[in-house]
Amino acid sequence: QSALTQPASVSGSPGQSITISCTGTSSDVGSYNRVSWYQQHPGKAPKLMIYEVSDRPSGVSNRFSGSKSGNTASLTISGLQAEDEADYYCSSFTSSITWVFGGGTKVTVL
Amino acid sequence: QVQLQESGPGLVKPSETLSLICTVSGDSISNYFWTWIRQPAGKGLEWIGRIYTSGSTNYSPSLKSRVTMSVDTSQNQFSLKLTSVTAADTAVYYCARGPGGATREAFDVWGLGTMVTVSS
Repeated sequence: QSALTQPASVSGSPGQSITISCTGTSSDVGSYNRVSWYQQHPGKAPKLMIYEVSDRPSGVSNRFSGSKSGNTASLTISGLQAEDEADYYCSSFTSSITWVFGGGTKVTVL
Repeated sequence: QVQLQESGPGLVKPSETLSLICTVSGDSISNYFWTWIRQPAGKGLEWIGRIYTSGSTNYSPSLKSRVTMSVDTSQNQFSLKLTSVTAADTAVYYCARGPGGATREAFDVWGLGTMVTVSS
């Protein structure tokens, strides 16, 4: 199974919106709404931000939103804040009854 | 509030078996899936596999020949064994809850992670 494809880095100024893409195949992202997104600050464990494509766990800011079109899922962060600077990973269920992660995207707040 | 804690040796010799335990507190381990994920230094996350409290498992195809997961409901713990380790298995190992079962289709609770180094 191949990792999902994410851009290595995305940057934006405070207050702006940024979008991180996560591209898979018809065997994972394209066929299932089991896509989730995780935020990881340096030296910390990942934190669930979005599950099942677009749902937010309680306690996660509504500045974070998710969507999917075809084989590509996206995470949008609106009103970018300094605390959003972190690595972000997408994950998807696959037709092999396994899970696969993206390579990760480093978000920089300029 | 459910919490997960990984434990096990921080140093394993090449060709030996890596063994880790994840202890679940704050909730019963039953009726959930439980997952192991690892992350080499400076790299991305890798899904290792998951186990249901019935003992049913799914493993990553790339690690399947070397991985065994088990669950001990009496101790509220689940475990990972990875055989014939090499330096490429050096990573931070995380345990997590989910996906599926009685929770969301996502890894919704994570342990803090434990660093395992493979070296002689």
